[in-house]
Amino acid sequence: AQTVTQSQPEMSVQEAETVTLSCTYDTSESDYYLFWYKQPPSRQMILVIRQEAYKQQNATENRFSVNFQKAAKSFSLKISDSQLGDAAMYFCAYRTYNTGGFKTIFGAGTRLFVKA
Amino acid sequence: GAVVSQHPSWVICKSGTSVKIECRSLDFQATTMFWYRQFPKQSLMLMATSNEGSKATYEQGVEKDKFLINHASLTLSTLTVTSAHPEDSSFYICSARDQLAGTLAKNIQYFGAGTRLSVL
Repeated sequence: AQTVTQSQPEMSVQEAETVTLSCTYDTSESDYYLFWYKQPPSRQMILVIRQEAYKQQNATENRFSVNFQKAAKSFSLKISDSQLGDAAMYFCAYRTYNTGGFKTIFGAGTRLFVKA
Repeated sequence: GAVVSQHPSWVICKSGTSVKIECRSLDFQATTMFWYRQFPKQSLMLMATSNEGSKATYEQGVEKDKFLINHASLTLSTLTVTSAHPEDSSFYICSARDQLAGTLAKNIQYFGAGTRLSVL
């Protein structure tokens, strides 16, 4: 069965520093998508970044970048120059399609604290 | 920036009744919208992809007859929770993809503020 594991329930980072949130997944599929979502205390979700499994190049969005290791089934999120507004719950997600249709699995989330 | 309006923000209903949640893209057209469900302990589920003018694409394991999705225009998608029961109580979130912003590969999505459903 496909699973997504975020092994760090909580992380903290000093403002302006860099932090990496881990995400590993288990699948036998070769084609899939990976996502990082951010949910601040307001609960308004933001799609931070998306990665297609067939692409070797790591996706980046401004200060957010991923380290996608397909063989290791790892999809970590790096936040550079952390800002107070980065404090949020971060969810990693995996999405694939098979004969049963689309299936998306979310990790349990990592709560990120940013210290001033 | 682009705004997605979700209404109502909070609804309380009796068991057995149906509840409709609206999701509107206010200043852009969205051929594709998404419906998510966040359970009381924060875990998330993508329920379905709503496609303008056609049937929604439900994720595996989601009851289509329970969660009715209609996307009749480029700016409005609705989720109806039919015959709601206490176990349907959750935070429901919609998002809309701006079809004109960037390329499809960019996959820009804007999220609504969510609807808290409490079924008594």
